[in-house]
Amino acid sequence: DSGVTQTPKHLITATGQRVTLRCSPRSGDLSVYWYQQSLDQGLQFLIQYYNGEERAKGNILERFSAQQFPDLHSELNLSSLELGDSALYFCASSVEPGGTDTQYFGPGTRLTVL
Amino acid sequence: AQTVTQSQPEMSVQEAETVTLSCTYDTSESNYYLFWYKQPPSRQMILVIRQEAYKQQNATENRFSVNFQKAAKSFSLKISDSQLGDTAMYFCAFNSNSNSGYALNFGKGTSLLVTP
Repeated sequence: DSGVTQTPKHLITATGQRVTLRCSPRSGDLSVYWYQQSLDQGLQFLIQYYNGEERAKGNILERFSAQQFPDLHSELNLSSLELGDSALYFCASSVEPGGTDTQYFGPGTRLTVL
Repeated sequence: AQTVTQSQPEMSVQEAETVTLSCTYDTSESNYYLFWYKQPPSRQMILVIRQEAYKQQNATENRFSVNFQKAAKSFSLKISDSQLGDTAMYFCAFNSNSNSGYALNFGKGTSLLVTP
């Protein structure tokens, strides 16, 4: 158990809908990262927050957005869902925002768009 | 852009034997970090080992060790005394500076099967 929690574990929804994925980092970690794992694209970085502020952006679609709250939990919002958004979404956390720190991953949320 | 290449999509090893998984990367940066993550059938991403590029000594964690060749941009993972629980997908990852943050760049993974 990495100490990073993600809810829900599974999510099934229809095209065009909107969903919210939630992540709680390890105690003491200030930085949260979101990654998407799909069969065709592999593991891709989406976005990073550090202590409530956006720090870095990767291949995140405009239909996706995220935020980190004062209690440091983070939410990833996915809207106007398409079939291709079906994937495993991971949250990871680390103490520092930089590369000296190891990122610890949560168990992931499996999103299925029908 | 940094890229990570794992040239072995699938590998198989017998229990108690040794196996080496390959990884190469491309970067123009001088300060970076390399990782191996394991993803068993449960899909959890588990850190196996990490290597700082500025360190010449290869990292070791129990049965797991790396062969880091900085000039060749190679970072292979050696698993000694393989166990059935080592069956998993293994991802090599490079940690880079991206817009003042650090995002992991992953290879496509090597699926390792440990057989009795």
